[in-house]
Amino acid sequence: GAGVSQSPSNKVTEKGKDVELRCDPISGHTALYWYRQSLGQGLEFLIYFQGNSAPDKSGLPSDRFSAERTGGSVSTLTIQRTQQEDSAVYLCASTKLSTDTQYFGPGTRLTVL
Amino acid sequence: AQSVTQLGSHVSVSEGALVLLRCNYSSSVPPYLFWYVQYPNQGLQLLLKYTSAATLVKGINGFEAEFKKSETSFHLTKPSAHMSDAAEYFCAVSDPNNFNKFYFGSGTKLNVKP
Repeated sequence: GAGVSQSPSNKVTEKGKDVELRCDPISGHTALYWYRQSLGQGLEFLIYFQGNSAPDKSGLPSDRFSAERTGGSVSTLTIQRTQQEDSAVYLCASTKLSTDTQYFGPGTRLTVL
Repeated sequence: AQSVTQLGSHVSVSEGALVLLRCNYSSSVPPYLFWYVQYPNQGLQLLLKYTSAATLVKGINGFEAEFKKSETSFHLTKPSAHMSDAAEYFCAVSDPNNFNKFYFGSGTKLNVKP
C-alpha cells in the first residue's frame, strides 16, 4: 500500500516568508508525528497528533511554528517568518499506536536564504 | 525528559566483522526503545524495537539489540557486517513521562570496508 508522503520534497524560501509543509499519513494510522532533522543532528520531536485528542505541541521551538491535522488525516506544518536556522529536513511519521513502528515519509528539505 | 547518546558519529568496520553501535539513554524508568536505519537516499525504517518483552530483541537483516536496564543501554549488534549495511543508524527512546514522545540520538554512520 501507499506509504507516508510529504510535499514539497524541496522548498527554498527567503528569510521572513511563511512556508507550509504537507504530510499525508498511511490510511488508518491515527497517530502522526513531525520531526526536524538539522545537518549532523538527530531527529528533533516537534509535535504529535493522536486521533481527536489535543496535539502534543511540546516540541515546537517557537510560536512561529504551528501544525494542524484536518479530519484526522492530512497534516500541515506551518512556519511563519522563516529564519535561516529553520533550514532542515522536516520529517513526518505515522503509526497506529504511539508505541508501534513509526513509518516515515521522505521528508521536505527546507532551505531559508 | 530524556537524552539519548550515540557514541561515535562514524563507525567503520570491515566486511564480515562485528558491528557494534552504542546507544545510552538517561532516564531510569524503562522506556520504549527503537533502532531505525536510513539507507542512502531513503527514508528511515524500523530495524527493531523493545517494548518491555524479551530484553534481547532481534530485528531485520541479522541485527539485534539488548536492553540493559542497569547500564541504561540498548546497543545494536550484528555478528558479520555486509556491504549493504552501510547506512545511518538512529536510536530512539520514549520520554519516561510521555510514551507518545520520542527522543532520537544524533545518529551513527556505518561504513563497511571491503
